[in-house]
Amino acid sequence: DTAVSQTPKYLVTQMGNDKSIKCEQNLGHDTMYWYKQDSKKFLKIMFSYNNKELIINETVPNRFSPKSPDKAHLNLHINSLELGDSAVYFCATSSGGRRGTDTQYFGPGTRLTVL
Amino acid sequence: GDSVTQMEGPVTLSEEAFLTINCTYTATGYPSLFWYVQYPGEGLQLLLKATKADDKGSNKGFEATYRKETTSFHLEKGSVQVSDSAVYFCALLANEKLTFGTGTRLTIIP
Repeated sequence: DTAVSQTPKYLVTQMGNDKSIKCEQNLGHDTMYWYKQDSKKFLKIMFSYNNKELIINETVPNRFSPKSPDKAHLNLHINSLELGDSAVYFCATSSGGRRGTDTQYFGPGTRLTVL
Repeated sequence: GDSVTQMEGPVTLSEEAFLTINCTYTATGYPSLFWYVQYPGEGLQLLLKATKADDKGSNKGFEATYRKETTSFHLEKGSVQVSDSAVYFCALLANEKLTFGTGTRLTIIP
């Protein structure tokens, strides 16, 4: 079984559309994250959730809204997609909470292309 | 804020060459340090980690030592293989937030 899975793997859509990316983990971890990797491969955290509670919310447009229906899932909904949203989005999980030393495990990524 | 500075790539080496990818960091407190690897078309995989000063992380022939005095976590491997071709990311973890370096693309030629 894949520990951290994301769907879809590829997403091609038009500007202005609304889309969602799903993340599921079967590691029993408490904390889940979304990262964005741009075309230059630079990775930056967007959000983190601990036990369904939002912990980290970096400076991300409010068109991006994470939703955690339960501890094993963290979905990313994006409204009114823009060209600049094209990137690879990675979900990650860790067992920690707030201990700050726990390894984060990444999903395979979702490549979003906005036309 | 926290930051990670990584050796600019791309790096091209011949098989069996010695590899060093430099990484230095700036952080308040005592972060944990990581190297992640991204093979072509794949997600990020943890390569190795170190959680305190003087710890050495190692995996698959790669090593890195947490040096607090020089705020560094350089990645080394004694003899690289073609299969090591990938993008390598140095990262620090503090307050649950992973901060990444810009990544170093490594290509190994036979």
